[in-house]
Amino acid sequence: DTGVSQNPRHKITKRGQNVTFRCDPISEHNRLYWYRQTLGQGPEFLTYFQNEAQLEKSRLLSDRFSAERPKGSFSTLEIQRTEQGDSAMYLCASSLGGIDDNYGYTFGSGTRLTVV
Amino acid sequence: GENVEQHPSTLSVQEGDSAVIKCTYSDSASNYFPWYKQELGKRPQLIIDIRSNVGEKKDQRIAVTLNKTAKHFSLHITETQPEDSAVYFCAARGGYALNFGKGTSLLVTP
Repeated sequence: DTGVSQNPRHKITKRGQNVTFRCDPISEHNRLYWYRQTLGQGPEFLTYFQNEAQLEKSRLLSDRFSAERPKGSFSTLEIQRTEQGDSAMYLCASSLGGIDDNYGYTFGSGTRLTVV
Repeated sequence: GENVEQHPSTLSVQEGDSAVIKCTYSDSASNYFPWYKQELGKRPQLIIDIRSNVGEKKDQRIAVTLNKTAKHFSLHITETQPEDSAVYFCAARGGYALNFGKGTSLLVTP
């Protein structure tokens, strides 16, 4: 286990199709985050899991987006009825969580989504 | 929610000079401030972080300072090298998640 793994690395889809991305965090990390990054911008927060519980969702996460982390290990992010504006790099990150919450994230390499 | 502003958006320095990137945040409850370096086509990587009970932290050529009263923090890179060229992001944690600035593209010319 050398880091956060994301699959696929690239995804090209037609507008209106559904897509699903997978993230495998560092095994001992109980916290998992999804971010979206567009060219020239910083990562934008989408959602956060502590173990299997989804504790926070950004208002960027419209009802077309859903994320799960069923057993507190890997996570999936699904986008339904994709739109061209969904084209971006989707980054997953994980971290430890405890009494002192302040641990840095380890990011995955991301999934680059292109909606045509 | 937390709002993080970062300046400048681009910065060009000569090799050996210092570079300073500044960020401000809005949520006075924020208590953790990391900095990430992202090279072209690669993932963001944590380079240094500071917690709200500390005013300054240094790691070799990089240092971060935090002014909680003014709600701003800065990244200082000394003796810059061409391999320092990248996009740097500041972030602040106010709730569960980090909120990132828009990034500073640093170019170090030989």
